[in-house]
Amino acid sequence: AQTVTQSQPEMSVQEAETVTLSCTYDTSESDYYLFWYKQPPSRQMILVIRQEAYKQQNATENRFSVNFQKAAKSFSLKISDSQLGDAAMYFCAYTEATGANSKLTFGKGITLSVRP
Amino acid sequence: NAGVTQTPKFRVLKTGQSMTLLCAQDMNHEYMYWYRQDPGMGLRLIHYSVGEGTTAKGEVPDGYNVSRLKKQNFLLGLESAAPSQTSVYFCASSFTPGVNYGYTFGSGTRLTVV
Repeated sequence: AQTVTQSQPEMSVQEAETVTLSCTYDTSESDYYLFWYKQPPSRQMILVIRQEAYKQQNATENRFSVNFQKAAKSFSLKISDSQLGDAAMYFCAYTEATGANSKLTFGKGITLSVRP
Repeated sequence: NAGVTQTPKFRVLKTGQSMTLLCAQDMNHEYMYWYRQDPGMGLRLIHYSVGEGTTAKGEVPDGYNVSRLKKQNFLLGLESAAPSQTSVYFCASSFTPGVNYGYTFGSGTRLTVV
């Protein structure tokens, strides 16, 4: 079974600084999707960024970017110019995205705090 | 454009009571999922459906049943609630995999079993 590991339960960053959240996963598939979701205190699950495994280029969305290392099965999220609104829980997630195997598998999450 | 709507948003049950959580999506998504979120555990899949009339077990299915009689609705039932089912429940939906593939989540249901 696929597994997603987020080994750091908590991290803290100074406002305007850069922080990297780590994620590793285990799979024998060659084609899959990886996601980072943000969950603020409102509980809503918000998609931060998505990476397709067949794409070698790392995905970027404004201040958010990933370092996708397919051979190492690593998928870290970098948040640049951190803002107070970035404080939330962040989940890394994986899916094979093939028919019956379209379900998302989540890591345990990391709580990010931003110091003013 | 409602997306994924979960009802109710909060509920307190007594041990042994039953209830049904409703998930409705208006995006014509084929796939629907029920997750539970517990502190330190992330989101774990309870049951899912790949189309109208189909259901399948996820990682933690015991104590739950589901039905998908209509494409837009996915119901999660607790026949005899237990304190271990105290959790936040999320419904999600998605198209079949492809370009811009992604999932849409509901806002969650906080369930407390006393």
